[in-house]
Amino acid sequence: DIQMTQSPSSLSASVGDRVAITCRASQGIRSDLGWFQQKPGKAPKRLIYAASTLESGVPSRFSGSGSGTDFTLTISDLQPEDFATYYCLQHNSYPYSLGQGTRLEVK
Amino acid sequence: EVQLVESGGGLVQPGGSLRLSCAASGFNFSTYSMSWVRQAPGKGLEWVSVFCVQDGSTHYADSVRGRFTISRDNSRNTLYLQMNTLRDEDTAVYYCTKGGHLDAWGQGTLVTVSS
Repeated sequence: DIQMTQSPSSLSASVGDRVAITCRASQGIRSDLGWFQQKPGKAPKRLIYAASTLESGVPSRFSGSGSGTDFTLTISDLQPEDFATYYCLQHNSYPYSLGQGTRLEVK
Repeated sequence: EVQLVESGGGLVQPGGSLRLSCAASGFNFSTYSMSWVRQAPGKGLEWVSVFCVQDGSTHYADSVRGRFTISRDNSRNTLYLQMNTLRDEDTAVYYCTKGGHLDAWGQGTLVTVSS
C-alpha cells in the first residue's frame, strides 16, 4: 500500500503570506494526486487534480507541483478564507490514501 | 449542479450493521465511478471504498475489507455502503464522493458505533 506523508501538520501564517504544504508518497505515483481543502463543519472540496491542474473556480493563488513521489501545494497571497485544513490524495493504486492533513491557522 | 445526499447514518451497537445510501443528481451517474470517504471525530480523512464503473470492480481500505460492501443502483442514481460487524473505530462522518478522484462531495452522514 502507498503511504502519503504530509507536512507540516500545522502551519501559522498571516494574510498576504505565501505558504507551501508538501506530500511525499512512499513510492512513485506519477501525477496521480489531488489536493483538497476542508473548512470546519464542512465537506472537503477539491482544489487541484493531476498534481497541478486547478479546479474550475479555484483562485489562481493556489498552485500545485510535483510528480513521482514529491508534491507541493502553494498558496500565495493568503486570504482570510484560505485558513482551513488541507489534504492530499493519491489515486495511483488501490487502496487510495490521503495525507494526514495540514491545519493552516492565522498567526 | 452536482448533488450528493447521504442518508442512513445513526447510532448502532458494536457488531451491528447499517446501510448508507447516497442519492446523486446533476450528472450522468451511470458513467462515473463513485467512492466513500470517512472522517472520525476530530481526525483526518480516510478513503474507504470505490466502485469502478469501467469494469464493475470494487476496492476497499484494509480497515474495512471483508466487513463493508459498496454497491450501486444506476436506475435509482444511488450508491450504497453496507457496513457489517461494526466497531467503535468505525464511528465517523461518511462522505459520498463523485468519481474515483473525489471531485465532488456530499455533506456526509454520521455513523456512531457505541453500546
